[in-house]
Amino acid sequence: QLQLQESGSGLVKPSQTLSLTCAVSGGSISSGGYSWSWIRQPPGKGLEWIGYIYHSGSTYYNPSLKSRVTISVDRSKNQFSLKLNSVTAADTAVYYCAAGGDYFPRHWGQGTLVTVSS
Amino acid sequence: DIVMTQSPDSLAVSLGERATINCKSSQSVLYSSNNKNYLAWYQQKLGQPPKLLIYWASTRESGVPDRFSGSGSGTDFTLTISSLQAEDVAIYYCQQYYSTPHTFGQGTKLEIK
Repeated sequence: QLQLQESGSGLVKPSQTLSLTCAVSGGSISSGGYSWSWIRQPPGKGLEWIGYIYHSGSTYYNPSLKSRVTISVDRSKNQFSLKLNSVTAADTAVYYCAAGGDYFPRHWGQGTLVTVSS
Repeated sequence: DIVMTQSPDSLAVSLGERATINCKSSQSVLYSSNNKNYLAWYQQKLGQPPKLLIYWASTRESGVPDRFSGSGSGTDFTLTISSLQAEDVAIYYCQQYYSTPHTFGQGTKLEIK
């Protein structure tokens, strides 16, 4: 059973870069057939798909964020990461990492709240 | 983008009664080459991450009680809880994974009447 754990800065200043990491345990991030996703949820609101990186290394991003987002994998550390630059208050949310085969997330981290504020 | 619209936004059902949540996509999520609907349902309890309930529109995830079922095809889908239990109080989301971005519905809040 895969387990995922987000970590990173909980407070980011406007215009700066949000950086989060998702540590994977119970399996290898190098295993084929998995997609490694980031999804966010503003306080009191619904879920927004940010994007994912497929086991092949291909990345797919939400067009609404595409110019600002990068998802990458560090196989040596068995983790994947999210970078979102030029953040504003609208980027304040709980950020979830997730994983699954067949494109839909089956395993989710507990989520981490990122607040954008000066 | 495919827009996912759920109805109702909120729902109150008595314990033991049936709960039905609908999800409509702005375009078909049925992939003709494999005849699969690229539609999943998630349950999110307060303060917790979403939990996968149903995928391929009607396949129940391992460990999910059989009172949860999914149906529908093309653009119209339904999540049914056959006999509501107290632990089913949550917000339920549908998600299409037919094309990126993999959009979610706005959520349906399910409460006990």
